[in-house]
Amino acid sequence: AQSVTQPDIHITVSEGASLELRCNYSYGATPYLFWYVQSPGQGLQLLLKYFSGDTLVQGIKGFEAEFKRSQSSFNLRKPSVHWSDAAEYFCAFYSSASKIIFGSGTRLSIRP
Amino acid sequence: DADVTQTPRNRITKTGKRIMLECSQTKGHDRMYWYRQDPGLGLRLIYYSFDVKDINKGEISDGYSVSRQAQAKFSLSLESAIPNQTALYFCATSDSSKTRAREQFFGPGTRLTVL
Repeated sequence: AQSVTQPDIHITVSEGASLELRCNYSYGATPYLFWYVQSPGQGLQLLLKYFSGDTLVQGIKGFEAEFKRSQSSFNLRKPSVHWSDAAEYFCAFYSSASKIIFGSGTRLSIRP
Repeated sequence: DADVTQTPRNRITKTGKRIMLECSQTKGHDRMYWYRQDPGLGLRLIYYSFDVKDINKGEISDGYSVSRQAQAKFSLSLESAIPNQTALYFCATSDSSKTRAREQFFGPGTRLTVL
């Protein structure tokens, strides 16, 4: 079955600390991968995407993600978080028939 | 700026009422989608449309219907709302001409509460 797993429902990190949000996917081929962010009361904004090529991709707001085929993972990282990064983060991939499969999300809280 | 807009942004209604959520886009995209978001479940696809005459069911279409009135407009209807349809609803668009894009652009969402 095609699916995305985000094992961490809620993570709290201190402002200025590093961040890694985990994402694993299940798909029969190399997928197109995305990370979206949803700030409180807002829609979804694309942080970054991976289609092919360099497995380390840079996104907006200082985020990056690394595609690891052997682990079926696409973890999101940021070296130093800011209070404004508090939001919900969704990993997703494009499967077929123009469908995007979303993970259940990870809520990020920032400790002052 | 080209955008995806949703109306209303918030709606409270009663069980059994008919509700329509509307989505408009100025991006010129041909594909449009409706999702619902529930806590802990991420986003699930309700319906999607590749063009005005091509509408498809998603994974949770029961209890919903849609209308693609024009390339830029895609409406979601709940014929007889029930409380478990309380959720955050998102409209999204994508451009099939950009074969490598696969990216969807989301509206701000409609928070629907069914009492």
